[in-house]
Amino acid sequence: DAGVIQSPRHEVTEMGQEVTLRCKPISGHNSLFWYRQTMMRGLELLIYFNNNVPIDDSGMPEDRFSAKMPNASFSTLKIQPSEPRDSAVYFCASSFQGINYGYTFGSGTRLTVV
Amino acid sequence: LAKTTQPISMDSYEGQEVNITCSHNNIATNDYITWYQQFPSQGPRFIIQGYKTKVTNEVASLFIPADRKSSTLSLPRVSLSDTAVYYCLVGDGNSGYALNFGKGTSLLVTP
Repeated sequence: DAGVIQSPRHEVTEMGQEVTLRCKPISGHNSLFWYRQTMMRGLELLIYFNNNVPIDDSGMPEDRFSAKMPNASFSTLKIQPSEPRDSAVYFCASSFQGINYGYTFGSGTRLTVV
Repeated sequence: LAKTTQPISMDSYEGQEVNITCSHNNIATNDYITWYQQFPSQGPRFIIQGYKTKVTNEVASLFIPADRKSSTLSLPRVSLSDTAVYYCLVGDGNSGYALNFGKGTSLLVTP
């Protein structure tokens, strides 16, 4: 298995532009998580899906952020419009039947908004 | 959701045993304790999980006292490559919620 695949690895964009981050979870995993990591706040949960349905999006910072999971093998995290304070590393993770089985993380997308 | 407290940072020399303790005073009956390791420029990776007593694998040992209000991750004879951030998480896989990793414990191993 190739693991959790995220794209792009790096993204540099100008303030106000739309940014779309992509994630392909491990085949067979039924839970998918989006996290954001910064020095100030550490690794924060943004949203998670179970069986493609959003379960908890209370960590999504504001309406500029949205996430979708149209099928079991693909998810997107969109920021529109982007702001410099959105600069961070965004991780996607997947797991099977919840946290007791452990999360597998992707390599992350480093987003820089200038 | 059980809150965890762990040291922000620790330093060690190569070859020493490192113990990182995590406090989780309000752990629930169904909660498991899981530790992750994160190297720079990588996502966290699962290293060990336990419910009570002691669990050991090829990477680490996890000690959990009878009251389960704390846990200790033990790394035997650390090497420079063990320099990483270690996260302690507590939760129940069947409860329908996911976990915040927070800032973890930054371990620096030096020669």
